[in-house]
Amino acid sequence: SYALTQPPSVSVAPGKTARITCGGNNIGTKSVHWYQHKPGQAPVLVIYYDSDRPSGIPERFSGSNSGNTATLTINRVEAGDEADYYCQVWHSNTDHHWVFGGGTKLTVL
Amino acid sequence: QVQLVESGGGVVQPGRSLRLSCAASFTFSGYAMHWVRQAPGKGLEWVAVISYDGSNLYYADSVKGRFTISRDNSKNTLYLQMNGLRTEDTAVYYCARDSNSGYDFGGDYFDYWGQGTLVTVSS
Repeated sequence: SYALTQPPSVSVAPGKTARITCGGNNIGTKSVHWYQHKPGQAPVLVIYYDSDRPSGIPERFSGSNSGNTATLTINRVEAGDEADYYCQVWHSNTDHHWVFGGGTKLTVL
Repeated sequence: QVQLVESGGGVVQPGRSLRLSCAASFTFSGYAMHWVRQAPGKGLEWVAVISYDGSNLYYADSVKGRFTISRDNSKNTLYLQMNGLRTEDTAVYYCARDSNSGYDFGGDYFDYWGQGTLVTVSS
């Protein structure tokens, strides 16, 4: 199986930059996707294929992926960005699996 | 506008069965579909996937042999039959649309999600 590691929490002041990491063995060779999940709501795709943004997602959200770490960067953080963020990859050996990281709680101070 | 609405959750005793449904409002037959769950206080866990035509099915090891994913394209509905339920299956279950049809999986992501339905397994 394939494991993704995220920090449990990240805190940032409004207007600053938040960086959430996602670690995995040679994750740079995989496509990484990121989701924002607020309590009681449906998860929302914020980054796909490492760095692409779906329509409607602010340009403040960006992603990168290299080596053993993928990173979600949120510039000029707003109170409304407070949520859980999950990275995700597709993994295949003898079977197909979709793998999530453990999630990171972003707190806006 | 893409909409996914889950139903069928509830409280069930260990060992019993439950069937979840997910009603879709888009060209349902063109996309693979997934079930993803979130146990209380835990993160997201992928459960199962079905290709656009139902020919390719894959399951997480934690549910293999107990859960069955299926779809009815004539009704734009996705299902999850859950048998032999365990307390550790307690979670909010989300249906999610795959970014592709599932003719050939690879690098896929979940582009739309439902609001979820809560399943509680308890005696």
